Amino acid sequence: GQQVMQIPQYQHVQEGEDFTTYCNSSTTLSNIQWYKQRPGGHPVFLIQLVKSGEVKKQKRLTFQFGEAKKNSSLHITATQTTDVGTYFCAGPQGYSTLTFGKGTMLLVSP
Amino acid sequence: EAGVTQSPTHLIKTRGQQATLRCSPISGHTSVYWYQQALGLGLQFLLWYDEGEERNRGNFPPRFSGRQFPNYSSELNVNALELEDSALYLCASSYLLGQARGEQYFGPGTRLTVT
Repeated sequence: GQQVMQIPQYQHVQEGEDFTTYCNSSTTLSNIQWYKQRPGGHPVFLIQLVKSGEVKKQKRLTFQFGEAKKNSSLHITATQTTDVGTYFCAGPQGYSTLTFGKGTMLLVSP
Repeated sequence: EAGVTQSPTHLIKTRGQQATLRCSPISGHTSVYWYQQALGLGLQFLLWYDEGEERNRGNFPPRFSGRQFPNYSSELNVNALELEDSALYLCASSYLLGQARGEQYFGPGTRLTVT
């Protein structure tokens, strides 16, 4: 079945440094979704990318969908302590199921 | 607008017992999804209900089951609990048919501990 791999599993940065997490699928995706889960919290939807090569920005966060629609990345510029959490990508299997990556846990030290 | 709610917040059971977890979706959402989040394993899809019917299930044994009520709330039942069932169980709802079509709204989860 489809696999969605995320790297790195964990990253610890100093506040102000940049952060990037990568998501790779074994199959072509119709779209990709990104979620953030704060420690002790639940996943919260960030964004959905649909088009090949699409780039979307949300303040300091930049999301990219690869040209082949098999990979995606989330880049955070100048991290803040509020960025702490686990970032998940998720890709659909058909229209009825989402396969989540195992997530990248981000720690930000002040 | 109220978000997705789940109860109980925490549940402690003994191996072999049954657990029942409840979820109320956002008003107007007809689809409810259940996930298991065990340590180090990410989010694993369990079940999808829409309009009272089970639409899809993940790779879990039959002792994981559930139902959706006419008001779209849902119940997850786990029979013959095993130690490895200890996890955070998350419920999500969506106004779109199918998880892959758009945003899901997650509830706070039920932390199930099996001893």
